[in-house]
Amino acid sequence: AQSVTQLDSQVPVFEEAPVELRCNYSSSVSVYLFWYVQYPNQGLQLLLKYLSGSTLVKGINGFEAEFNKSQTSFHLRKPSVHISDTAEYFCAVSERRTGFQKLVFGTGTRLLVSP
Amino acid sequence: DAGVTQSPTHLIKTRGQHVTLRCSPISGHKSVSWYQQVLGQGPQFIFQYYEKEERGRGNFPDRFSARQFPNYSSELNVNALLLGDSALYLCASSFDGTELSEQFFGPGTRLTVL
Repeated sequence: AQSVTQLDSQVPVFEEAPVELRCNYSSSVSVYLFWYVQYPNQGLQLLLKYLSGSTLVKGINGFEAEFNKSQTSFHLRKPSVHISDTAEYFCAVSERRTGFQKLVFGTGTRLLVSP
Repeated sequence: DAGVTQSPTHLIKTRGQHVTLRCSPISGHKSVSWYQQVLGQGPQFIFQYYEKEERGRGNFPDRFSARQFPNYSSELNVNALLLGDSALYLCASSFDGTELSEQFFGPGTRLTVL
């Protein structure tokens, strides 16, 4: 079984400041890693994913994440945030080689960007 | 292009009743997955269907069931509702439901059980 821990339930930050949202996972098998964003009253939108290859993954809206296998982490970063980045962010994993995608999510981190 | 659509948007039920939630996938997508998101938590996997067959099931009681129709739309049924079933129910569609196939989520159905 897999589990995902998002260490911060809420991260307040000022506009144009950098931000890092932390994610650690636990799994006895190899997994794929994902970050999703959820805006109010909307469904989840994929920001980026790590499948294989380079451990630094670039996604939409200027976000990037780095996979660290030894620390079982997949932290999300953005060098300069905007007010519009205010949303809930979810880290998720999916076990490899099962034939189907079952996403296991963390509890989410609310990013609050203020002027 | 239309994304994943879900109906109804909101509904209120009382304990013991049953409910049916509906999902229409993106055109061309053959797989639908259902997730339950309780307030303050991340979504939890309930089911995945592909080509009308159940491909995966999460750790939910038998009160939860689903099916997929020939047009790839799907229904989630919950019987004997409990207060703890109050949640946002999310539907996601993907081309074939495999690990490398991106899932696109709908806006969800907010279920309140009184």
